[in-house]
Amino acid sequence: DSGVTQTPKHLITATGQRVTLRCSPRSGDLSVYWYQQSLDQGLQFLIQYYNGEERAKGNILERFSAQQFPDLHSELNLSSLELGDSALYFCASSVQQGHNEQFFGPGTRLTVL
Amino acid sequence: GQNIDQPTEMTATEGAIVQINCTYQTSGFNGLFWYQQHAGEAPTFLSYNVLDGLEEKGRFSSFLSRSKGYSYLLLKELQMKDSASYLCAVRDQASGTYKYIFGTGTRLKVLA
Repeated sequence: DSGVTQTPKHLITATGQRVTLRCSPRSGDLSVYWYQQSLDQGLQFLIQYYNGEERAKGNILERFSAQQFPDLHSELNLSSLELGDSALYFCASSVQQGHNEQFFGPGTRLTVL
Repeated sequence: GQNIDQPTEMTATEGAIVQINCTYQTSGFNGLFWYQQHAGEAPTFLSYNVLDGLEEKGRFSSFLSRSKGYSYLLLKELQMKDSASYLCAVRDQASGTYKYIFGTGTRLKVLA
């Protein structure tokens, strides 16, 4: 158990819908990262927040957005969902923004039908 | 551009040694990571290299050559539980902020 929690564990929805994935980092960690893992593309870095502020953006689509709240939990919002958005979404946290070791949560499996 | 290459699959025998190679191309190299990921589970951190040379941690070692854009993960005394995917990742700082680029992973099968 890494100490990072993610909800929900599984999510099934339809194309065109919007969903919100939630992540609580390890106690004391200020930085949160979001990743998408699909079978054909491997692990893709989406976005990073540090102490409530966006710090880095990877391959995140414009239909996706995220935020980190004052209590340091983070949410990833996915809208206008497409079949290709079906994937495992991981959240990770680290003590500082450039800290080397990231601790990954168990992931949310999103299925878009 | 940014690119990471690693073999798709490898097979080794319990008790043996296996080396998983990773080559990368990035313009703002700021460290290389190895993660282990068992099927259906989250990745777990194994090692970090930012300077050339070998980092040893128990049965696992990781090597980096920045001039060659090359790293390897060495697993000794293989155990059945080492059957997993091993992800090579590079932290890039070319755009002024950190970004993380992952390879597609090497699926290691350890046979009895």
